[in-house]
Amino acid sequence: NAGVTQTPKFQVLKTGQSMTLQCAQDMNHNSMYWYRQDPGMGLRLIYYSASEGTTDKGEVPNGYNVSRLNKREFSLRLESAAPSQTSVYFCASSQGGSGNTIYFGEGSWLTVV
Amino acid sequence: AQKVTQAQTEISVVEKEDVTLDCVYETRDTTYYLFWYKQPPSGELVFLIRRNSFDEQNEISGRYSWNFQKSTSSFNFTITASQVVDSAVYFCALSEDTDKLIFGTGTRLQVFP
Repeated sequence: NAGVTQTPKFQVLKTGQSMTLQCAQDMNHNSMYWYRQDPGMGLRLIYYSASEGTTDKGEVPNGYNVSRLNKREFSLRLESAAPSQTSVYFCASSQGGSGNTIYFGEGSWLTVV
Repeated sequence: AQKVTQAQTEISVVEKEDVTLDCVYETRDTTYYLFWYKQPPSGELVFLIRRNSFDEQNEISGRYSWNFQKSTSSFNFTITASQVVDSAVYFCALSEDTDKLIFGTGTRLQVFP
């Protein structure tokens, strides 16, 4: 009954360091997403992947890269972390197509100092 | 352009009060989908309901009910007889002819005993 699993749950980075957030889903979903949540701004889409092998930019892609490794896994990489990337990151998945429900992981709290 | 507005930043009520969370959306599409998610203090995002633009019937699920009115572009959420466990941030979200969600900024509900 795992659903969407993301790691790590908490991470502190120094400015300029790199890291990768890992995400896996076990629902056989086609689409996967990375969102970030900041106070007063709701959730904003960073990148999404409509299917294995495809990725597209969302609303706030700058400073991030993604990899859709296979149907199950979708990773988010910060190449050179900045304090502005301090946020809560959510991975999500859905069957794909318009209107399908998107299911979220538990979130990853990232602090860049 | 698509947009979701949750004008109520924070609401405080005493247990057993009824409370309505407002959601107003903007879209130019005739086909779209509306969602509500709950984010309890533990941080995960929990899917509550999905409604398509062609279904204006109100929905009731236990103490939760949703009122969808296309005439006012609103999709409001009412909790009847609120409980402390309802304390959370609630997000309204919209998707048009894609599987990506646009979120409102959320409403923090605090229910006091």
